[in-house]
Amino acid sequence: DTGVSQDPRHKITKRGQNVTFRCDPISEHNRLYWYRQTLGQGPEFLTYFQNEAQLEKSRLLSDRFSAERPKGSFSTLEIQRTEQGDSAMYLCASSFEGIPDGYTFGSGTRLTVV
Amino acid sequence: DQQVKQNSPSLSVQEGRISILNCDYTNSMFDYFLWYKKYPAEGPTFLISISSIKDKNEDGRFTVFLNKSAKHLSLHIVPSQPGDSAVYFCSGGGADGLTFGKGTHLIIQP
Repeated sequence: DTGVSQDPRHKITKRGQNVTFRCDPISEHNRLYWYRQTLGQGPEFLTYFQNEAQLEKSRLLSDRFSAERPKGSFSTLEIQRTEQGDSAMYLCASSFEGIPDGYTFGSGTRLTVV
Repeated sequence: DQQVKQNSPSLSVQEGRISILNCDYTNSMFDYFLWYKKYPAEGPTFLISISSIKDKNEDGRFTVFLNKSAKHLSLHIVPSQPGDSAVYFCSGGGADGLTFGKGTHLIIQP
């Protein structure tokens, strides 16, 4: 297992376009988290899944954001009608049963909205 | 409302000396506190954690101290090495997710 994989690594999009990111967690991990990090800030929690169930969503996750984990394996994060304020690093992490020591992060997807 | 605060944006330490990174929190419900290390263009890497019921955890050169009455924790790195130069994030939480501070950029001087 090569860890948590995120695709793409970089995405540049025009304002108003839709974008989708993918995260492949560590295979035996049943929990998957999405975070967003902007310059000079720490990662901010967006949402998490246990298997295919989305258990919590941050108020940061506006109606333009949607996340899915259809089969309890990989997850996608879609942003509709992107805005310049969406420019950030989007990080995915996974863990087994939420054991805190096991939070493993991917390298992130850097989104730039122009 | 910043639940986890790292008040030092940067810290410079000489190689071989002790690095002490500090963190304050306001949420008494955190089950665990974790330190992550981050290099540019990479995701955060788990470093060390401590349960809220403990006051110290040690792993090699890294020790985390928790003072619950002061709602303060610190990460000690000794001896500091050049490869320790990175941004360090303090976080608190549990199985439902983590809340991170803004990070401290540690620079190890030769």
